[in-house]
Amino acid sequence: SQQGEEDPQALSIQEGENATMNCSYKTSINNLQWYRQNSGRGLVHLILIRSNEREKHSGRLRVTLDTSKKSSSLLITASRAADTASYFCAKIRLSGGYNKLIFGAGTRLAVHP
Amino acid sequence: EAQVTQNPRYLITVTGKKLTVTCSQNMNHEYMSWYRQDPGLGLRQIYYSMNVEVTDKGDVPEGYKVSRKEKRNFPLILESPSPNQTSLYFCASSLVTSGSYEQYFGPGTRLTVT
Repeated sequence: SQQGEEDPQALSIQEGENATMNCSYKTSINNLQWYRQNSGRGLVHLILIRSNEREKHSGRLRVTLDTSKKSSSLLITASRAADTASYFCAKIRLSGGYNKLIFGAGTRLAVHP
Repeated sequence: EAQVTQNPRYLITVTGKKLTVTCSQNMNHEYMSWYRQDPGLGLRQIYYSMNVEVTDKGDVPEGYKVSRKEKRNFPLILESPSPNQTSLYFCASSLVTSGSYEQYFGPGTRLTVT
């Protein structure tokens, strides 16, 4: 089964508003990553947060991790139309002796001018 | 420029006609992987490779083959494509030794099997 499930599935906001996406997982992690995908394109790594970190920033992105709730959130502040994309969380899970990256189904973000 | 390349980008083929999608990376990454992306299902891993001559099945390996004869290349082979393999395919690579497993993705190959 997929782990790293995002919520909501879709989000529509106006430019300038903040966008928050959430990700839950079921088993313990080493780190959790967020990726962005523009329509039909490859995924691009945005930010990584390790299991011993609670919050991380990168430009207008803020990621939090709550290991007790097994959840993470991605906040995009002051959104722009160019932020329109799908966002995926991915967690590392030890599987068969190696660290496997598990992706969720993603959140589709639409930012309207 | 560090990148992962895939070819072809678009392919329409018929059931049963063998095809190969190539993947190449120029970052000397040990780890390479193939995913397929279908609406509502996110990315599902087909096969992965930890290094040259080391490959293993992912979550949805049926109907696919891979090989890793060189570190930079990781082709995906569909011996007898079927319509349920119509999908968007991504190759990705990462450094194993970094510990972060940040993956670099290719631009994708959109495959249609009729």
